[in-house]
Amino acid sequence: GEQVEQRPPHLSVREGDSAVITCTYTDPNSYYFFWYKQEPGASLQLLMKVFSSTEINEGQGFTVLLNKKDKRLSLNLTAAHPGDSAAYFCAVSLPRGYQNFYFGKGTSLTVIP
Amino acid sequence: EAAVTQSPRSKVAVTGGKVTLSCHQTNNHDYMYWYRQDTGHGLRLIHYSYVADSTEKGDIPDGYKASRPSQENFSLILELASLSQTAVYFCASSDEAGGDTQYFGPGTRLLVL
Repeated sequence: GEQVEQRPPHLSVREGDSAVITCTYTDPNSYYFFWYKQEPGASLQLLMKVFSSTEINEGQGFTVLLNKKDKRLSLNLTAAHPGDSAAYFCAVSLPRGYQNFYFGKGTSLTVIP
Repeated sequence: EAAVTQSPRSKVAVTGGKVTLSCHQTNNHDYMYWYRQDTGHGLRLIHYSYVADSTEKGDIPDGYKASRPSQENFSLILELASLSQTAVYFCASSDEAGGDTQYFGPGTRLLVL
């Protein structure tokens, strides 16, 4: 089955710096990609959903890059602020009709003021 | 906005006892899922369901049962709780399988002593 590896497990950056979290996956048929944010003691909230046909997706304060050739998905938080401190999880799914999401193990991000 | 609620939010159980975790969604979604979250493991799928009165095994179903009495409700049952089942449990729902976003509940923190 699909294998999703997420790096790094822990990341500490200073306020204003960028933070990059990367996931690699193995199944070339993977089609939908998700980033979730989990604040301490809270549930997972969707940051962004991307499709395999779109390589660059911009959100508020972050960019998601998808490299299908390398099977690599990255989340780049530009100018991180303390409110970005949380755990981040990537998830990968196959096309519609397949039940499973495959989650990375998560990255704990700390933004130091 | 999607609404998934879980009860209880936290529970202490004794080894060998029965535990029932409940999940309720008001999204009119067909698919519901139970995950457990352990430090360093991300989220792992225990059971899921795509229609009332039917459940399917996920990746780690051993020691767990599930029940879907209605579209809105999905329960996770630990008949004989064990220490290794100490974890945070998340319920999620989605409209379809595969590429649809999963919306997560707030989680239940279970401690088995």
